[in-house]
Amino acid sequence: EIVMTQSPATLSVSPGERATLSCRASQSISSNLAWYQQKPGQAPRLLIYGASTRATGVPARFSGSGSGTEFTLTISSLQSEDFAVYSCQHYHEWPLTFGGGTKVEIK
Amino acid sequence: QVQLQESGPGLVTPSQTLSLTCSVSSDSINSDDYYWSWIRQPPGKGLEWIGYIHNSGTTYYTPSLKSRVTMSVDTSKKQFSLNLRSVTAADTAVYYCASWEAENWFDSWGQGILVTVSS
Repeated sequence: EIVMTQSPATLSVSPGERATLSCRASQSISSNLAWYQQKPGQAPRLLIYGASTRATGVPARFSGSGSGTEFTLTISSLQSEDFAVYSCQHYHEWPLTFGGGTKVEIK
Repeated sequence: QVQLQESGPGLVTPSQTLSLTCSVSSDSINSDDYYWSWIRQPPGKGLEWIGYIHNSGTTYYTPSLKSRVTMSVDTSKKQFSLNLRSVTAADTAVYYCASWEAENWFDSWGQGILVTVSS
């Protein structure tokens, strides 16, 4: 199965600053990657699919990039509501797998 | 998006079977475009996809759980279900039902249900 590795595990960022999160696949997955945001006690929320397409209602400050094995989620200017855990998921083949998540916390 | 709601016992005894049901709010359960999944998240850990079922009855289970998992769908009740046999403490997790339409990313999720395996 394809292993998804996210880094860093925790990212400390001040409000208004830029956050850059990384997701690496153990083999090429083309652009078959989704990103999710998860707040404590809540289900994940789809942010990005196709590596770079924002889901409906997702603010423009969220952007995704990459293809093959290296992917990035960028939050251009962190708002208070953006502090959460972010997970990537490939859908290139079966089984679908998720990364371990990056927690974005307030610095 | 589809509204999903998990239900089932919050406590299961080791070696027994964990059984959960997901209720679907709309007639999308009858649509050939939708696929219905279970995903779990152990406390403090990442997400693990368990598998999917389609209204045709087609299933796929992740290899690490395949020997213990069965999923079923009841379109008349607008529900799909998960059975996980021979549970251990390692199966303690928040279990989510989720769905995708046409492509394999999850745009609808239930709120999740915590299932603890303990005697």
